[in-house]
Amino acid sequence: DTAVSQTPKYLVTQMGNDKSIKCEQNLGHDTMYWYKQDSKKFLKIMFSYNNKELIINETVPNRFSPKSPDKAHLNLHINSLELGDSAVYFCASSQQDRGDTEAFFGQGTRLTVV
Amino acid sequence: SQQGEEDPQALSIQEGENATMNCSYKTSINNLQWYRQNSGRGLVHLILIRSNEREKHSGRLRVTLDTSKKSSSLLITASRAADTASYFCATDAWTGGFKTIFGAGTRLFVKA
Repeated sequence: DTAVSQTPKYLVTQMGNDKSIKCEQNLGHDTMYWYKQDSKKFLKIMFSYNNKELIINETVPNRFSPKSPDKAHLNLHINSLELGDSAVYFCASSQQDRGDTEAFFGQGTRLTVV
Repeated sequence: SQQGEEDPQALSIQEGENATMNCSYKTSINNLQWYRQNSGRGLVHLILIRSNEREKHSGRLRVTLDTSKKSSSLLITASRAADTASYFCATDAWTGGFKTIFGAGTRLFVKA
């Protein structure tokens, strides 16, 4: 069973479109995250949710709106896509909102904006 | 700049050799973790070392932590071609919630 799954794996879209990436974890974890990895492999946290509540919002443009319908799901909706949004987006989860817990990552969604 | 910075950025070695990757960070930490990322895949947790620990082992992995120098190293002994991946160190930070801050990674290539 896939622990953290995100869909789609690849997403190619035009500038200005709105798109969503879905993430689900079956680990029973309380905390979920979205990370963005750029072309230089630099991985940066975007959002953190703990029990459906937003904990961290790292100065991400408000075109990015995460939604957590329940603690097993954290979806990422992006409005008015821009070229600079092209990157690989990773969903992750951990048991608790603590710095000493292992994070489990999804396979990533490669977003290409053309 | 980034909390964790790995060195070197890229490393190419022969199978059977040891690979050492270093990580430096700027602020005080409670924990430091190492992750591995195969090409086109998500990150996989390798090992966590706490700030009161100096060394930790897991199979062929050996991690050291020097809090006075704010640095850590990951040693992979007897490397294999399957170890080819990017390796990231990650440190914890509190900003109203814990977040894990990743470095830019070391790309390791092990030649068979």
